[in-house]
Amino acid sequence: KNQVEQSPQSLIILEGKNCTLQCNYTVSPFSNLRWYKQDTGRGPVSLTIMTFSENTKSNGRYTATLDADTKQSSLHITASQLSDSASYICVVSAVVGSGGGADGLTFGKGTHLIIQP
Amino acid sequence: NAGVTQTPKFQVLKTGQSMTLQCAQDMNHEYMSWYRQDPGMGLRLIHYSVGAGITDQGEVPNGYNVSRSTTEDFPLRLLSAAPSQTSVYFCASSQGQPYNSPLHFGNGTRLTVT
Repeated sequence: KNQVEQSPQSLIILEGKNCTLQCNYTVSPFSNLRWYKQDTGRGPVSLTIMTFSENTKSNGRYTATLDADTKQSSLHITASQLSDSASYICVVSAVVGSGGGADGLTFGKGTHLIIQP
Repeated sequence: NAGVTQTPKFQVLKTGQSMTLQCAQDMNHEYMSWYRQDPGMGLRLIHYSVGAGITDQGEVPNGYNVSRSTTEDFPLRLLSAAPSQTSVYFCASSQGQPYNSPLHFGNGTRLTVT
């Protein structure tokens, strides 16, 4: 069964510090991996997508990495801001018809990040 | 563009009542879907639609109905509400198939069934 495991479950850091969120997956055959940010009371918003051939991709202060061999991804946040407080969800896409949900997606449970002033 | 709009934002139902959660998108996306989000669990797919007139079941479809008469609207109906349906419901749309296009989510409907 396809699975996505995220760690840590929750994280509290001080404003200005860096942090790294982890995502391990067993989805096969792998198509791509997305990181979503979900603010409290809002729907998730896509931050970045990683395909099989990509190792690193940056979006402002967010940098995602992908190791397709070990089936691991990370999301690194640099110089955290109060607005980074949110849940971060890792979503892995399988080739449709081969696993995951009917939409080909397997969702992680998310990491709840709190930035303290 | 308003994106994906969900109404209502909050709803309280008694067991056995029925209701419809509304979802509309103005991005001309063919694909739309409904998810539920429960504490300690990832988003779970309820129903989805690849275009007007076409719907299909997701992972947790029991107790829910959908229809897609237009590209813009994708309502979710609870036939006879149960406490197990207490959850936050998200509607989403994507330009292409969700496995290779980002999902655009609404801001959710928080439903409590007593």
